[in-house]
Amino acid sequence: QVQLQESGPGLVKPSETLSLTCTVSGDSISPYYWSWIRQPPGKGLEYIGYIYYKGSTNYNPSLESRVTISVDTSKNQFSLILSSVTAADTAVYYCARGPGSYGDYFDPWGQGTLVTVSS
Amino acid sequence: DIQLTQSPSSLFASIGDRVTITCRASQTISVYLNWYQHKPGRAPKLLIYAASNLQGGVPSRFSGSGSGTDFTLTISSLQPEDSATYYCQQSYSVPYTFGRGTEVENK
Repeated sequence: QVQLQESGPGLVKPSETLSLTCTVSGDSISPYYWSWIRQPPGKGLEYIGYIYYKGSTNYNPSLESRVTISVDTSKNQFSLILSSVTAADTAVYYCARGPGSYGDYFDPWGQGTLVTVSS
Repeated sequence: DIQLTQSPSSLFASIGDRVTITCRASQTISVYLNWYQHKPGRAPKLLIYAASNLQGGVPSRFSGSGSGTDFTLTISSLQPEDSATYYCQQSYSVPYTFGRGTEVENK
């Protein structure tokens, strides 16, 4: 069965760049869509964006100026870059497969990784 | 963006109880509404997609209904392992959005 695992620094300084990678195992990254979703402490889930395995992307307009999602099919990975971070970007970051299939749902998800923005 | 309002925000129920969670969209979204279960420290799990379709491997005590703006997730007989936070998510239009969640706890 497909499994996703997020990796990257758990602490990022304000104004710097957050960089996370999601490694997909148990299935090929092709021919799916892959997404990043986050949850700030005590708040709800926020869609960040998705990438198709061929490279086309969609970003949440609230983050679009600071977000880049990329894919490396040779490594079965996709990545998130968020620039100019502030404390408001502190959150658990999840990667997930989707949207796709009837319903455009996200399934499965990774366990999530906490990223804290602090000096 | 489409806003999703979940209610209640939390509830206590006994084992065997029927539990109902509602999700209301700020505009019509047809049947493009998905439900997830999330336990602390675990990956969120898809339960229901496209309003009423049970994801494979999910117990049949979970069901979903609704269309347009009003949707419901029902647990027909609450089990101990169902303690979790439940989220709805609309996939009608980007940016995809989620409800604020409903925390279900055993009495």
